[in-house]
Amino acid sequence: AQKITQTQPGMFVQEKEAVTLDCTYDTSDQSYGLFWYKQPSSGEMIFLIYQGSYDEQNATEGRYSLNFQKARKSANLVISASQLGDSAMYFCAMRGPREETSGSRLTFGEGTQLTVNP
Amino acid sequence: DAGITQSPRHKVTETGTPVTLRCHQTENHRYMYWYRQDPGHGLRLIHYSYGVKDTDKGEVSDGYSVSRSKTEDFLLTLESATSSQTSVYFCAISDFTGGTDTQYFGPGTRLTVL
Repeated sequence: AQKITQTQPGMFVQEKEAVTLDCTYDTSDQSYGLFWYKQPSSGEMIFLIYQGSYDEQNATEGRYSLNFQKARKSANLVISASQLGDSAMYFCAMRGPREETSGSRLTFGEGTQLTVNP
Repeated sequence: DAGITQSPRHKVTETGTPVTLRCHQTENHRYMYWYRQDPGHGLRLIHYSYGVKDTDKGEVSDGYSVSRSKTEDFLLTLESATSSQTSVYFCAISDFTGGTDTQYFGPGTRLTVL
């Protein structure tokens, strides 16, 4: 069974500063993928970044980077130069090995509410 | 934009009534999913589909059924709604372009069961 743990229910950061949102995972699979999604107050789920378990380099997408530490089973999201629009709920999720009859079913953490202060 | 729509976007119903939520996609994706979101639980998988007429259960499937008679539509049915099924329901698709299998989500349906 897969499990995602996000231990920070809420985080605060000053505008223009960097912030790290924690995510640890538990799985016995060798092949898996890790995702981060953003959910603003409007409710939609927005894909941010993906890291495959065999990827040797940490993923980056603009101001988002994923600090992947495989041995520690952590996949922290780093947001650089925070903006007011970054205030939202952030979810870490993982999928197990891709299978023909299962696609990429995701297991989600409970989320971290990020507030960016001006 | 993965071309996913959900209908209705909001629904209020009474305990014991049947409810069907529709997910429609326009880009011929093979895999489709239904999740529910409740406070303190993140999103949890209800059912998923890996092709027309091919579906399977997820983590929280009790009280729900699904059908997929054509590629573009994935229906979630609550045969007899209960108050515990009050939730926000998200449909998602898997996009395998670019070497990843990112899931993209629809806008969600807020369901209230009185």
